[in-house]
Amino acid sequence: NAGVTQTPKFQVLKTGQSMTLQCAQDMNHEYMSWYRQDPGMGLRLIHYSVGAGITDQGEVPNGYNVSRSTTEDFPLRLLSAAPSQTSVYFCASSYSAGQIGYEQYFGPGTRLTVT
Amino acid sequence: GIQVEQSPPDLILQEGANSTLRCNFSDSVNNLQWFHQNPWGQLINLFYIPSGTKQNGRLSATTVATERYSLLYISSSQTTDSGVYFCAVPSGAGSYQLTFGKGTKLSVIP
Repeated sequence: NAGVTQTPKFQVLKTGQSMTLQCAQDMNHEYMSWYRQDPGMGLRLIHYSVGAGITDQGEVPNGYNVSRSTTEDFPLRLLSAAPSQTSVYFCASSYSAGQIGYEQYFGPGTRLTVT
Repeated sequence: GIQVEQSPPDLILQEGANSTLRCNFSDSVNNLQWFHQNPWGQLINLFYIPSGTKQNGRLSATTVATERYSLLYISSSQTTDSGVYFCAVPSGAGSYQLTFGKGTKLSVIP
């Protein structure tokens, strides 16, 4: 298993540009999510999905869109990049079964700089 | 929402020394994870430990859910242990969302 994969590893955008961060997992996990990590802070949840066709907002969703058309993929879209979105982005996945928490696995991250 | 506090925020160790990192959380949880973020930025799963004690080589973790804390022990530290250690718990009852502490930055010097 490749686990959770993310592309690209690094990206530089100009203010106002759009792009999509890709995330895929091959563990048949139902739950997937996106976090951002800023200097000196832990990770904060942007959006999450409990299955194909189902998405919801996390703690810091503004400026980001997501969709989940397949179990494997959960892309994160920045429609109009802003310098405040400069951050490291992590995708995560886990099993999903009722309300029992399961171990989450993280991808390697995408380092995004918006100038 | 739930609050997660980690201590100490920074720790410098001589290679070979032992250390204990602490994670306090403000509400009952049904799971807890410890991660190591290495100097390359990767988040590595260390322990999934809702309660009790687990060991993996030189690392072990104990969670006392009733008292709302978890401890991560690192014995015989090595320079490769350097990085930031995070604990994370569900944001609420039945939630898959994780709330992270701000981490403990560990530097192991030769």
